[in-house]
Amino acid sequence: EVQLVESGGGLVQPGGSLRLSCAASGFTLSDCYMDWVRQAPGKGLEWVGRTRSKGKNYTTEYAASVKGRFTISRDDSKNSLYLQMNSLTTEDTAVYYCARLRNSGLDVWGQGTTVTVSS
Amino acid sequence: QSALTQPASVSGSPGQSITISCTGTSSDVGSYNFVSWYQQYSGKAPKLIIYEGSKRPSGVSNRFSGSKSGNTASLTISGLQAEDEADYYCCSYVDSSTYVFGTGTKVTVL
Repeated sequence: EVQLVESGGGLVQPGGSLRLSCAASGFTLSDCYMDWVRQAPGKGLEWVGRTRSKGKNYTTEYAASVKGRFTISRDDSKNSLYLQMNSLTTEDTAVYYCARLRNSGLDVWGQGTTVTVSS
Repeated sequence: QSALTQPASVSGSPGQSITISCTGTSSDVGSYNFVSWYQQYSGKAPKLIIYEGSKRPSGVSNRFSGSKSGNTASLTISGLQAEDEADYYCCSYVDSSTYVFGTGTKVTVL
């Protein structure tokens, strides 16, 4: 079964850091473009960023709102994706989803992990 | 990059057809055929229902269809059913190699 499972969410103080993980199963992560998407409480979806496949040298793109603060990485040996989040603000409070990109659509999503930035 | 514009809510009676618009610019929707649509139930992860503007993933009902005209993409749900009551989001590729989501539309089945 193709599946994504996020972990690592929690409560963090403003200015702090957190690393989210996304474990993939049922497919080979290195062949895939992978995205992170977030959703603030009661709000819409916001695209966060992407890592391209091994064939595209794992290049990354980020939304302007997180560029310079968030970093996407992966460990294909563990079939896992990561989102390192630094300099967090209350605006980063959200449910964070990892998702697989295929044919320009996000066809597999994790269940999400909640990040709360608060003092 | 500003979010694509969707109506906040759309409603219809069972059996009717409804259309949700998604308006962008010539830097996103207008220039690329990379619009996707997602259905999201409350508290759940989104589900892909349309990709590349008008294609349906395997297993998605043919009551869902997508189209585009100029800078506006549209999702039509025909034969509206109670189970279609959910939030719907469009998403488009953008010039800057990034993606942008729409503001979201709540569909209510009367």
